[in-house]
Amino acid sequence: AQSVTQLGSHVSVSEGALVLLRCNYSSSVPPYLFWYVQYPNQGLQLLLKYTSAATLVKGINGFEAEFKKSETSFHLTKPSAHMSDAAEYFCAVSGGNTPLVFGKGTRLSVIA
Amino acid sequence: EPEVTQTPSHQVTQMGQEVILRCVPISNHLYFYWYRQILGQKVEFLVSFYNNEISEKSEIFDDQFSVERPDGSNFTLKIRSTKLEDSAMYFCASSEGQGIGSPLHFGNGTRLTVT
Repeated sequence: AQSVTQLGSHVSVSEGALVLLRCNYSSSVPPYLFWYVQYPNQGLQLLLKYTSAATLVKGINGFEAEFKKSETSFHLTKPSAHMSDAAEYFCAVSGGNTPLVFGKGTRLSVIA
Repeated sequence: EPEVTQTPSHQVTQMGQEVILRCVPISNHLYFYWYRQILGQKVEFLVSFYNNEISEKSEIFDDQFSVERPDGSNFTLKIRSTKLEDSAMYFCASSEGQGIGSPLHFGNGTRLTVT
């Protein structure tokens, strides 16, 4: 079975500051990990995914995430926040052919 | 870029009524899914569908729920007798294949409000 915990339901950063959204997972099998983003009134869009290749994964819009097995973490980062990054971010885990299990989501606000 | 489309964007219904949420998956996709998100809670898996039958379902997907692909393009979720606790955002998704090599493409969701 898999589960995901996202620390912080709301994160607020200044424009140009580092974005760090935290995700910890639990999985009984080697996990596949994902970050999705949801902009207002839109669906969930895949940002990036970890599939057991490189532990540092680069995604769209300058985001990246690092898989750390020892910490069971898959935190999402971006060096410099932009106003357009304001959205809801969801971490998700899968065991391969099992359905995606999502976290509760973290709302990112970017302050000018 | 092809999209998953969902209609309506917002549905209001009275408790006990039947609702049908509609989705048009991406045309060459073979796997279809429904997820839901109760306000302030996690996005939860409901059901997956492949080859005209349910391939997996969660414990949430009880006898009140059913899915159908009536005409080769639409994928519907029916709730027979809605309850207040069915109020949520319902997301449809589709994928070309199964597994991590085929990411899910989500629609914009239907917000269901049961009064």
